[in-house]
Parts: sequence; C-alpha cells; structure tokens
Amino acid sequence: GQQVMQIPQYQHVQEGEDFTTYCNSSTTLSNIQWYKQRPGGHPVFLIQLVKSGEVKKQKRLTFQFGEAKKNSSLHITATQTTDVGTYFCAGPAGNMLTFGGGTRLMVKP
Amino acid sequence: NAGVTQTPKFRILKIGQSMTLQCTQDMNHNYMYWYRQDPGMGLKLIYYSVGAGITDKGEVPNGYNVSRSTTEDFPLRLELAAPSQTSVYFCASSYSIRTGNTIYFGEGSWLTVV
Repeated sequence: GQQVMQIPQYQHVQEGEDFTTYCNSSTTLSNIQWYKQRPGGHPVFLIQLVKSGEVKKQKRLTFQFGEAKKNSSLHITATQTTDVGTYFCAGPAGNMLTFGGGTRLMVKP
Repeated sequence: NAGVTQTPKFRILKIGQSMTLQCTQDMNHNYMYWYRQDPGMGLKLIYYSVGAGITDKGEVPNGYNVSRSTTEDFPLRLELAAPSQTSVYFCASSYSIRTGNTIYFGEGSWLTVV
C-alpha cells in the first residue's frame, strides 16, 4: 500500500533559524495536505497542494509540491516559539488519507 | 458549529474491560475516521466510514469495532482492552477525500489501559 515518509523525525532550532521538513510518497498523489499539531493538541489543517510544482506561501511558511507529485516540503523562515509542534503531511489513498510520521519542531528561545 | 466532538476526553481502563469512544460531527460530512496516535508517533488509521451504514478497516483495526448508523455519529468500540491500546484517539471527518476537502479533527480522547 501507499507509504508516506517524512524527514527529519525531530528538529531542534534556535529561534530565528530556518526549518524544513520533507515528505515523500511511494505513489503519485492527486494532492497533498499539511497539518500542524501543537503539543497536547489535535492536528489542524494548514494547506493543500494540487498542481505539479506548486508553491504556496502562508506568511513565513512556504509549501512546495514536487514536479512528479510524489514529494513535498514545508519551509519555515525565521522560526518563532509559536511554530513549535509536529508537522504532518498527508496524501489520499483510495478513501483514506495516509499521514506521514510527522516532524517534531522544537524552538529554543 | 461545534465541529467534531469526542467523549470522553480522558479514561483509564483495566485490562479486559470494554468501552466506547463517542464521536459526533455537525458539519454533515460523509466521511468519518478514527485514528490513534501513540506517544511521539504519527497517526494510524483504525477504521473509516464513507457514509451511514458503510465502514471499512484502516491500517490497525484489530481490537476495535465501529458502526455508522447516522451521518453524525461514528462510535469506536474497544473490546477486551489491552495495554497496547493505550493511546490518544482522534475522531475526524471530511466531506470527501477528493481534492479540495480537508479533514477536521476532534480534540482527542486520552486512553490508558492498566
């Protein structure tokens, strides 16, 4: 079945540094979604990418969808303590949404 | 709109006990899901439903059962609880899985089996 992998699993950064998480799917995706889960909270939808090579920005967050629609990345510029949490990518597989293992971001003030 | 509501929020079970996690959504979504998340890990799909009367297994269905008698409700039943079922359980819903539709999660149910 479809597998969605994310790296790194953990990332510690100093506040102000940049952060990137990468997502790779074993199959071509019709779309990819990104979610953020704050510590002790539930996943919350951030964005969806649909087109090959698509790039979307939300303030300091930049999301990319690969040309082959099998990989994606999330880049955060100048991290802040409010960025702390786990970032998940997810891709549809039939009637299910398969989540990557997530990247846990920790930010040192 | 309340969105996706799960109860209870916290529960301690003894080994061998049974319980039902309740989930209801008021967004008239067709799709509903149950995920579990072990500490520090990702989300694993237990069961899902694409509409009332239709349910299907996800990645980790063993030890669980579900039903979907109405569009709004999707309870998860744990039979003969085991320590391996200690986890956070998230119910979620979406209109569909097609492009443009996102998943909305409940706040989670923390379950400990001792």
